[in-house]
Amino acid sequence: EVQLVESGGGLIQPGGSLRLSCAASGFTVNSYHMSWARQAPGKGLEWVSVIYTGGSAYYADSVKGRFTISRDNSQNTLYLQMNSLRPEDTAVYYCARGSGSVTAPYYWGQGTLVTVSS
Amino acid sequence: DIVMTQTPLSLSVTPGQPASISCKSSQSLLKSTGKTHLYWYQQRPGQPPQLLIYEVSNRFSGVPDRFSGSGSGTDFTLKISRVEAEDVGIYYCVQSTQLPLTFGGGTKVEIK
Repeated sequence: EVQLVESGGGLIQPGGSLRLSCAASGFTVNSYHMSWARQAPGKGLEWVSVIYTGGSAYYADSVKGRFTISRDNSQNTLYLQMNSLRPEDTAVYYCARGSGSVTAPYYWGQGTLVTVSS
Repeated sequence: DIVMTQTPLSLSVTPGQPASISCKSSQSLLKSTGKTHLYWYQQRPGQPPQLLIYEVSNRFSGVPDRFSGSGSGTDFTLKISRVEAEDVGIYYCVQSTQLPLTFGGGTKVEIK
């Protein structure tokens, strides 16, 4: 069974850093395209980043240069390093897994809430 | 970026009646591979999104057959043949033909 469990969210001051983790089970993270998406309170969904099986990573313009996606195959875990956080980064962050060569999320975690506020 | 436009913003449906949601993209979602990367997700209150339909018209594992997807190019539709109480939530279309992935604004489905 595919499972994705996010952790690492919390309250952080503007300008601060946070690292989100997504522990995967039922598959290996380096075998699928893995993404992060987010949802601000009461708002719609926004794609944040993807790391392809080959290791290439891409970002939404809104986070480029501030966020870094990575994975640890030995821990079977996906990460999102978030620096220079802004109030507008406040959201529930979801990790998600694609299928085959497809980037679109087929499986989603439950999400972790990040609140950027002073 | 490809812009995804969903209509209507909300639907109030009597149980047992059909519902239809439209999604239009600002450019064709057909790739050179011949596949069209248009997906539909359901997000129930307080839950993460769940995949309903992949590549326009394929129901994901476990999705009831009252859900169906259709369309091509830039115009797509999600239909629920007979709405049930458990179908309450927000429905999103998403394209992954081109990065960045982009989501429609969502359609809220309520039960009358």
